[in-house]
Amino acid sequence: DQQVKQNSPSLSVQEGRISILNCDYTNSMFDYFLWYKKYPAEGPTFLISISSIKDKNEDGRFTVFLNKSAKHLSLHIVPSQPGDSAVYFCAAPNTGNQFYFGTGTSLTVIP
Amino acid sequence: NAGVMQNPRHLVRRRGQEARLRCSPMKGHSHVYWYRQLPEEGLKFMVYLQKENIIDESGMPKERFSAEFPKEGPSILRIQQVVRGDSAAYFCASSPRTDYTEAFFGQGTRLTVV
Repeated sequence: DQQVKQNSPSLSVQEGRISILNCDYTNSMFDYFLWYKKYPAEGPTFLISISSIKDKNEDGRFTVFLNKSAKHLSLHIVPSQPGDSAVYFCAAPNTGNQFYFGTGTSLTVIP
Repeated sequence: NAGVMQNPRHLVRRRGQEARLRCSPMKGHSHVYWYRQLPEEGLKFMVYLQKENIIDESGMPKERFSAEFPKEGPSILRIQQVVRGDSAAYFCASSPRTDYTEAFFGQGTRLTVV
């Protein structure tokens, strides 16, 4: 039962352009969402989060948008840089202590 | 201030052997989480522990898997009688409290069962 879904396994973007990574969820009880970035052979690192009381959160080049009615969130990276090339996971915690992770989107930023 | 330390980074076991994965949380962190990433999949929750207590093990397979977080020493994820399907990357995360933004992940242990 995949409660958090990332339907695009990979994305390629030119350096300097915008990267848009998408995430859908099925559980309307989720009230907090996180994006993690993962390099090969490393653990995920926290990138940015958003509470369900907001529809946008911005941190430098990274912005997360939340559309609760569509149960959809997206991560925008602008301008994209080669160092952004990594796998990006969206995640949502349940009322317990579990994170539900999406399957990830591998972003390649082409110099 | 060292991060979350997992060892070994790579572990190879033959079918039927036991695998022990260790996780030392960040200093001051008393909450530990274990996640598993199977090939081509996202991270799946396995277990949440506090010192000497298993809080939530709803993601743990019913057989062969166990976890502990003793008063002293690292958290241990133990897999008995490993099978090929156990091959995966196992990640540990720690936090000082139940605060999602402060869960820091280790680099993972890649288990290969041959």
